[in-house]
Amino acid sequence: EVQLLESGGDLVQPGGSLRLSCAASGFTFSSYGMSWVRQAPGKGLEWVSAMNGGGGSTYYADSVKGRFTISRDNPRNMLYLQMNSLRAEDTAVYYCAKTFGSNWLLDYWGQGTLVTVSS
Amino acid sequence: EIVMTQSPATLSVSPGERATLSCRASQSVSSNLAWYQQRPGQAPRLLIYDASTRATDIPARFSGSGSGTEFTLTISSLQSEDFAIYYCQQYNNWLRWTFGQGTKVEIK
Repeated sequence: EVQLLESGGDLVQPGGSLRLSCAASGFTFSSYGMSWVRQAPGKGLEWVSAMNGGGGSTYYADSVKGRFTISRDNPRNMLYLQMNSLRAEDTAVYYCAKTFGSNWLLDYWGQGTLVTVSS
Repeated sequence: EIVMTQSPATLSVSPGERATLSCRASQSVSSNLAWYQQRPGQAPRLLIYDASTRATDIPARFSGSGSGTEFTLTISSLQSEDFAIYYCQQYNNWLRWTFGQGTKVEIK
């Protein structure tokens, strides 16, 4: 059974940093691209970032480019999102999701971790 | 950016009835369209991809149709567990994915 468990969400001040983690199990982690998607309170979904299975290719939404860094540790089945220079508009539940297929569809999602950026 | 517009914002349906949800893209996305279900307090779940292909373990009462800019998700006979928010997502632009704002299906 595929399981994804995010952690690391917290209350942080504007301009601060936070690292989110996602522990994966139930599939061959290194064989799949992984993605982060966020959802602001009461709002819709926004794709944030993605990385291929080998870790050599990374992709970012314009809204986070230059501030967020996605990474992964394949031997430990872990996905990370380093978030710097946080803004109020980054407040959201952050989901990690497994991809499948050539279009990197998001077929399994974790339960999410809440990041609140506020002074 | 491709803008996805869903309608209606809220759909009130009685259990056992049919629900029809719409999603419109601001430009053609071919058949590169997915639908997700999000129950309260839960993560989204993939229902449909490639506009009309059901994902693993999704019941046959869920069906998708459309191509280009107009898409439809139909739930043939609503069950209690189907009352949720539904999002469409285009993946025609590689990793410039965008989602609709969602349609809430509520009990009438």
